[in-house]
Amino acid sequence: DAGVTQSPTHLIKTRGQQVTLRCSPKSGHDTVSWYQQALGQGPQFIFQYYEEEERQRGNFPDRFSGHQFPNYSSELNVNALLLGDSALYLCASTNRGAPLHFGNGTRLTVT
Amino acid sequence: DQQVKQNSPSLSVQEGRISILNCDYTNSMFDYFLWYKKYPAEGPTFLISISSIKDKNEDGRFTVFLNKSAKHLSLHIVPSQPGDSAVYFCAATWGTNAGKSTFGDGTTLTVKP
Repeated sequence: DAGVTQSPTHLIKTRGQQVTLRCSPKSGHDTVSWYQQALGQGPQFIFQYYEEEERQRGNFPDRFSGHQFPNYSSELNVNALLLGDSALYLCASTNRGAPLHFGNGTRLTVT
Repeated sequence: DQQVKQNSPSLSVQEGRISILNCDYTNSMFDYFLWYKKYPAEGPTFLISISSIKDKNEDGRFTVFLNKSAKHLSLHIVPSQPGDSAVYFCAATWGTNAGKSTFGDGTTLTVKP
């Protein structure tokens, strides 16, 4: 039973560019959440997708957007990258009421 | 304003002894609390949770205690094992929607053989 898978594992981008990160949820899960984890900090909630719609959003600017597909997989898009966007981006899936299952993350470096 | 705080960045204990990790929260709306464990190069994995209607939840060597009046929870690991060495995150949410959780900054636990 595959868990949450994320791609790519590492990514280097230049300031001002755009990036797309991908996530496949754990089998049987229909809800995907994205988190940003800066070095030395805990994960910060970006947004949550369910039934292909953004259901909840954290305190992140509109440069951060997402999508969920009919097969429950999800993408996180970040436009106009800033140096401060360098972080580990974690995708997590769940069914309602269940704890999160995290992927191993995508390490984004913005230079 | 950090709503979930883990004030000890690190903790070192001897194998076989008890590990106690602490977490404080400020938002009274939180009613569901979770602990996750994270190894290097892996995502966090769920460990144990507790609802605000309880003050204790136990799962094998792991016990979580919740003190609502103090807005404080703690994770006890007994006995500690070297394989428990990891970063432990406390998280809080409401309505059991773990999808939108607020995390602390973590405590790095080192269990020495």
